[in-house]
Amino acid sequence: DTEVTQTPKHLVMGMTNKKSLKCEQHMGHRAMYWYKQKAKKPPELMFVYSYEKLSINESVPSRFSPECPNSSLLNLHLHALQPEDSALYLCASRPRGLAGLTSSTDTQYFGPGTRLTVL
Amino acid sequence: AQTVTQSQPEMSVQEAETVTLSCTYDTSESDYYLFWYKQPPSRQMILVIRQEAYKQQNATENRFSVNFQKAAKSFSLKISDSQLGDAAMYFCAPPRRNYGGSQGNLIFGKGTKLSVKP
Repeated sequence: DTEVTQTPKHLVMGMTNKKSLKCEQHMGHRAMYWYKQKAKKPPELMFVYSYEKLSINESVPSRFSPECPNSSLLNLHLHALQPEDSALYLCASRPRGLAGLTSSTDTQYFGPGTRLTVL
Repeated sequence: AQTVTQSQPEMSVQEAETVTLSCTYDTSESDYYLFWYKQPPSRQMILVIRQEAYKQQNATENRFSVNFQKAAKSFSLKISDSQLGDAAMYFCAPPRRNYGGSQGNLIFGKGTKLSVKP
């Protein structure tokens, strides 16, 4: 089973709202990712958690706040977003944490995404 | 900046025919994995195939195969017996340049939109 789930599927929010995106996997994966994907563009890396610790932040604005409460769950808290933040937000996980030698456990498995619209 | 080049923004193939999608990339790693993902209109990224860079043998997965040329940093995807369900955006994903050692994270090319004609 290589399932990553994301909720909600769609989210519409105003610029003053606070909302959260949720990602879950029960595969025992040790690295989890947030990507942002604009229409007709490739996914862009935002954050990486390894062993529940934030390891990579790709200079993402502070209005995006990630959280990894446990090894199965990844949240993305949203506050004071701008209309240009409207995008598909993808979560991914992989077996290997950010340590050790490269292997097939570098394979990332993606969730279905959350379509975010900021009004 | 690190480059991943998918030189064909769009391609079209007749059902049951064969099509090849190209990808070139740069990396300083010697041991790594490369991936092709597809993203149908449903928007979920689906793993198509992966290649181990230290293996000379090209990976195959049913109707999908790769032509991996390590020295040339070329990683093309061949789809045989194309089916309507193959219509999607295809992304090449080599290793993302990392400062301080390999972590095996990915960078994505701009994608090739594949249409399949009945």
